[in-house]
Amino acid sequence: DAGVIQSPRHEVTEMGQEVTLRCKPISGHNSLFWYRQTMMRGLELLIYFNNNVPIDDSGMPEDRFSAKMPNASFSTLKIQPSEPRDSAVYFCASSFEKRIDTQYFGPGTRLTVL
Amino acid sequence: AQTVTQSQPEMSVQEAETVTLSCTYDTSENNYYLFWYKQPPSRQMILVIRQEAYKQQNATENRFSVNFQKAAKSFSLKISDSQLGDTAMYFCAFMKGGSNYKLTFGKGTLLTVNP
Repeated sequence: DAGVIQSPRHEVTEMGQEVTLRCKPISGHNSLFWYRQTMMRGLELLIYFNNNVPIDDSGMPEDRFSAKMPNASFSTLKIQPSEPRDSAVYFCASSFEKRIDTQYFGPGTRLTVL
Repeated sequence: AQTVTQSQPEMSVQEAETVTLSCTYDTSENNYYLFWYKQPPSRQMILVIRQEAYKQQNATENRFSVNFQKAAKSFSLKISDSQLGDTAMYFCAFMKGGSNYKLTFGKGTLLTVNP
């Protein structure tokens, strides 16, 4: 079975540019989570969706960040405009309704903003 | 708010030996879940083991087991017969029961298994 798929795996961009990170959850999973990992703050939840609806976006740092889930098999996390402090590894995770407490992580996207 | 503390930033162990990683948490909740995730150099986050707070029996997955002390709010991970492939960052995580599925992670412990 394919796991959670994220693209790109690496992204290098310049300050001020728009960045879009993509995630495909495991087929049949109906909850999706976006996390950010930095040395300073560790792993922190940005937002999560249930049945394509955003449930908790309290972790989204500011208005420059937005996330969408147009259908059950695709989600995006967009940063516009990007800043050097956004450099981090961004993980997407998904879970199945009957075991929603168990999240399966994608390989992550390493974002570098110059 | 829940907090998770891993007091050992780094640990090392010889291959085939046993090592225990510590984790404490702070919560006022009675219903919750605890997890250990492994992050090898590949960066992939891999679920190692999970524990429901209402279960008194400690969870076990092959060479991995936990010592869950609810009153002390302690959740340590024991790795038996350590293997080189166990070298990784290990994160302890907490999830409140109910309808909020947010994972709160500790800062992690870097475990190195030496040949």
